Amino acid sequence: NAGVMQNPRHLVRRRGQEARLRCSPMKGHSHVYWYRQLPEEGLKFMVYLQKENIIDESGMPKERFSAEFPKEGPSILRIQQVVRGDSAAYFCASSDASGSIGFFGPGTRLTVL
Amino acid sequence: RKEVEQDPGPFNVPEGATVAFNCTYSNSASQSFFWYRQDCRKEPKLLMSVYSSGNEDGRFTAQLNRASQYISLLIRDSKLSDSATYLCVVTNTGGFKTIFGAGTRLFVKA
Repeated sequence: NAGVMQNPRHLVRRRGQEARLRCSPMKGHSHVYWYRQLPEEGLKFMVYLQKENIIDESGMPKERFSAEFPKEGPSILRIQQVVRGDSAAYFCASSDASGSIGFFGPGTRLTVL
Repeated sequence: RKEVEQDPGPFNVPEGATVAFNCTYSNSASQSFFWYRQDCRKEPKLLMSVYSSGNEDGRFTAQLNRASQYISLLIRDSKLSDSATYLCVVTNTGGFKTIFGAGTRLFVKA
């Protein structure tokens, strides 16, 4: 599978639990972007990472959210102590060194009960 | 002011109609421009890149006006399958940050 992969596709958490969303970029891509889409709204940039580096996290909420892209393995978006307002679709995209995004993953739909 | 602004929607058009979407961006240093399409509850998919010279792909024509910081997408002979949300996308210096407009929803009706 040459595409961007995300898992899980659907995630249900209760308030106060932790959510971990994973993204495997396309083969050969070393740049990962995370976006959040609230119901009936547009995509909002969250964070841009390269392997082992956070390049731009200007869209990340200051608390409870973190992201990493280790040397080996997928990129992880972690949300601690989730609240109902975190319910959204979280999309990951990847790019090569040019930085122009081509493809998105199918997204993870997070529901916080 | 939002970095990327699009026409508010939704657009409701009959099959066969021509529809135009407009988009403006605020960062004059923006380098790359795209239109994406997003179907309901699906991921965005790249529709086409936008160049200053204008480019066409079948029924779709994209235009870029750097002086006015304006991007457009024209769809001719609309099909039912064109119903989706169309996202204007701008990539800033170095491609480090790709910014999406809020999208314009299109409904094509028989």
